[in-house]
Amino acid sequence: DAGVIQSPRHEVTEMGQEVTLRCKPISGHDYLFWYRQTMMRGLELLIYFNNNVPIDDSGMPEDRFSAKMPNASFSTLKIQPSEPRDSAVYFCASSLSYLSLDNEQFFGPGTRLTVL
Amino acid sequence: AQSVTQLDSQVPVFEEAPVELRCNYSSSVSVYLFWYVQYPNQGLQLLLKYLSGSTLVKGINGFEAEFNKSQTSFHLRKPSVHISDTAEYFCAVWGTSYGKLTFGQGTILTVHP
Repeated sequence: DAGVIQSPRHEVTEMGQEVTLRCKPISGHDYLFWYRQTMMRGLELLIYFNNNVPIDDSGMPEDRFSAKMPNASFSTLKIQPSEPRDSAVYFCASSLSYLSLDNEQFFGPGTRLTVL
Repeated sequence: AQSVTQLDSQVPVFEEAPVELRCNYSSSVSVYLFWYVQYPNQGLQLLLKYLSGSTLVKGINGFEAEFNKSQTSFHLRKPSVHISDTAEYFCAVWGTSYGKLTFGQGTILTVHP
């Protein structure tokens, strides 16, 4: 398996523009997680899905952020409109299961977002 | 609620010296504990994990960690570090009722020649 795939790896955009980040989890993994990493706040969980259904979105900063998982092999994180304070590295991760010995999360390489 | 505190934000050390990266956690439920490593411009990779059983856990690259329930700690150790160990290390806790992984703020390990 190629691991968790994220695209784009780098994104530079201007304030007010819509940004869409994409993630392909490892095949067979039922859980998908979106994280944001910044110098100030470290690594924060934004939202996670189980079997394509959002379970906990309490980490989503505000209504400008939305995430979807239309099928088991694809998820998007959208920011509209984007602001400079959204600049961060966004990671996607997936795991096999929950509350079991196989709940190791595998991380993608991340998308480095810069909002000017 | 659950939380993780990594007591050192940066740890400089010379090559071949031993190192300990400290991690304390807080949780009201049973936990699983993890250490991840992040090399520059890369995603996180799992170093080791504690799920149950022996409190001394061995991971990749010669790292090990010891789970101490009474002190709620999970410190990471390596007896002799290499330049290639320079990276940021994250401790994380998964509370069995919370369903999410909570990360510490990270410790930057810098190994000097």
